[in-house]
Amino acid sequence: EAGVAQSPRYKIIEKRQSVAFWCNPISGHATLYWYQQILGQGPKLLIQFQNNGVVDDSQLPKDRFSAERLKGVDSTLKIQPAKLEDSAVYLCASSLGGLTDTQYFGPGTRLTVL
Amino acid sequence: EDQVTQSPEALRLQEGESSSLNCSYTVSGLRGLFWYRQDPGKGPEFLFTLYSAGEEKEKERLKATLTKKESFLHITAPKPEDSATYLCAVQEGFRGPTGANNLFFGTGTRLTVIP
Repeated sequence: EAGVAQSPRYKIIEKRQSVAFWCNPISGHATLYWYQQILGQGPKLLIQFQNNGVVDDSQLPKDRFSAERLKGVDSTLKIQPAKLEDSAVYLCASSLGGLTDTQYFGPGTRLTVL
Repeated sequence: EDQVTQSPEALRLQEGESSSLNCSYTVSGLRGLFWYRQDPGKGPEFLFTLYSAGEEKEKERLKATLTKKESFLHITAPKPEDSATYLCAVQEGFRGPTGANNLFFGTGTRLTVIP
């Protein structure tokens, strides 16, 4: 079974530029998550989708971050404009969506903002 | 506010030297406690889910246990390939009207096993 796919794996941009990340979840997984992991910390949830609807985006900095999940499958996370403090690994995870379901993570995209 | 604290931050073991990692948590009703392994440059890899106090799960050299306030990840006779960061995460019981499922992670324990 294929895992969660993410691209690109690495991205380096200047501050105030924009960047987009792509995620393809495990086939059949209704729930998709984006997490931000700063070096030395655990992942922190940014947004959760159930199919193509947003379940929780309370931790998403909406003035600069946006995310969408078209057709309930792939998802993109965008940052515009980027700040230095956005340097982190952005992880996508997916799950079946049950009451105590397990989240499976992709390899992540390492973003460096200069 | 939900909190997850892992200790120690880093642990160095000789190959074959057994030890335990700790994850203490405060949450408004626990729905599940998750253990993940994360290798450098990779995403977290799922290991275990524990749901209620007294529950135990095993996988190869790893054994996870759960009490009402903490979880332990016991590593028996570790090998160098067990070197990784081990993350603990909790899922709270109340999902709210939206059905939020988010995990609250600790900062992890970085384990190094020396041959």
